[in-house]
Amino acid sequence: SQQGEEDPQALSIQEGENATMNCSYKTSINNLQWYRQNSGRGLVHLILIRSNEREKHSGRLRVTLDTSKKSSSLLITASRAADTASYFCATDRPYKLSFGAGTTVTVRA
Amino acid sequence: EPEVTQTPSHQVTQMGQEVILRCVPISNHLYFYWYRQILGQKVEFLVSFYNNEISEKSEIFDDQFSVERPDGSNFTLKIRSTKLEDSAMYFCASRATGTKDYEQYFGPGTRLTVT
Repeated sequence: SQQGEEDPQALSIQEGENATMNCSYKTSINNLQWYRQNSGRGLVHLILIRSNEREKHSGRLRVTLDTSKKSSSLLITASRAADTASYFCATDRPYKLSFGAGTTVTVRA
Repeated sequence: EPEVTQTPSHQVTQMGQEVILRCVPISNHLYFYWYRQILGQKVEFLVSFYNNEISEKSEIFDDQFSVERPDGSNFTLKIRSTKLEDSAMYFCASRATGTKDYEQYFGPGTRLTVT
């Protein structure tokens, strides 16, 4: 299975702090994607990093990819209450995504 | 900004009944997907669809499930005879072709409750 597995399962931080979560996967990938899901809602695409990329930024998000370790990390800087959500990594073959169990992030005001 | 839409947002049905979940993918997308998420569990791939046929399906997608693109805009998932364990959020997604990125755009989901 190519499934990504996130670590930690849950994270609670103060507003303004940074949040870091990690994802490990098992087999080679074309790319790795991060999604956000607010409670009971749909999946929002955050960022895609290709297998030949090592780091990517989008606003307050920073994603790294280490294909030798088969791992990725998502950093959210200067967190806000609105960042409270579950975050999933998904490994991609062209025809389907394999999701991990997610990291639940709670940002305290 | 174009988005994937799904109807209904919540469907309650009795065990053994047939349900059809509907999706309208982004208009210029050609790859379509269904995923499901049982409460508290991972998002699981069900099926992918391209060029009017199934590209790939998971073990979950058994004979009780079918997909169809009945016209140029809708993409449907039918569950022929629902079971209690089919209760889940069902997400539709679509992807453009001709791009190097394989970003999938997800709809808001349909919550299916089987009683």
